Amino acid sequence: EAGVAQSPRYKIIEKRQSVAFWCNPISGHATLYWYQQILGQGPKLLIQFQNNGVVDDSQLPKDRFSAERLKGVDSTLKIQPAKLEDSAVYLCASSSERAVYNEQFFGPGTRLTVL
Amino acid sequence: GDSVTQMEGPVTLSEEAFLTINCTYTATGYPSLFWYVQYPGEGLQLLLKATKADDKGSNKGFEATYRKETTSFHLEKGSVQVSDSAVYFCALRATGANSKLTFGKGITLSVRP
Repeated sequence: EAGVAQSPRYKIIEKRQSVAFWCNPISGHATLYWYQQILGQGPKLLIQFQNNGVVDDSQLPKDRFSAERLKGVDSTLKIQPAKLEDSAVYLCASSSERAVYNEQFFGPGTRLTVL
Repeated sequence: GDSVTQMEGPVTLSEEAFLTINCTYTATGYPSLFWYVQYPGEGLQLLLKATKADDKGSNKGFEATYRKETTSFHLEKGSVQVSDSAVYFCALRATGANSKLTFGKGITLSVRP
């Protein structure tokens, strides 16, 4: 079974530029999560989708961050404009309601550096 | 709100030493508890889990027991190996299917030969 795929793996941008990250969850997983992991901290949930609907986006900075999951499969997370404090690893995870413990499977992450 | 507190790191041990990594939590209700591991250059992987009080999760020689009375989920291993060098995260998930994970800060473990 293929895991969660993310791209790109690394991205370096200047502040005030835009950037987008892509995630392809495990096939059949209805729930998709985006986490932000700042260096030295644990991952923090930004947004959670159930199919193509948003379940929780309470910690998403909506003035600059946006995310979509149009067909209930792939998802894109966008930052516009980026700030220095957005430098972090962005993790995508997915889970299935059919799994006994709804285990979340994580992708390798995208490391963003904002200069 | 929910929170997870891990002991400060990093931790450096010699091979075959005993490992304990402390984790305590604050949550309402009856959360599920997890330890995740992140090996160098890799993504987060679930190491073990416990879903109710007094459950013991175990995997790859690691163990952790869900202690509701002390709100703790300490990770232990009797004899660490160099290959255990990684970052370890304690996390909780509130009651409810597909609830979000709340992570601790993580602790870096280095095991020297």
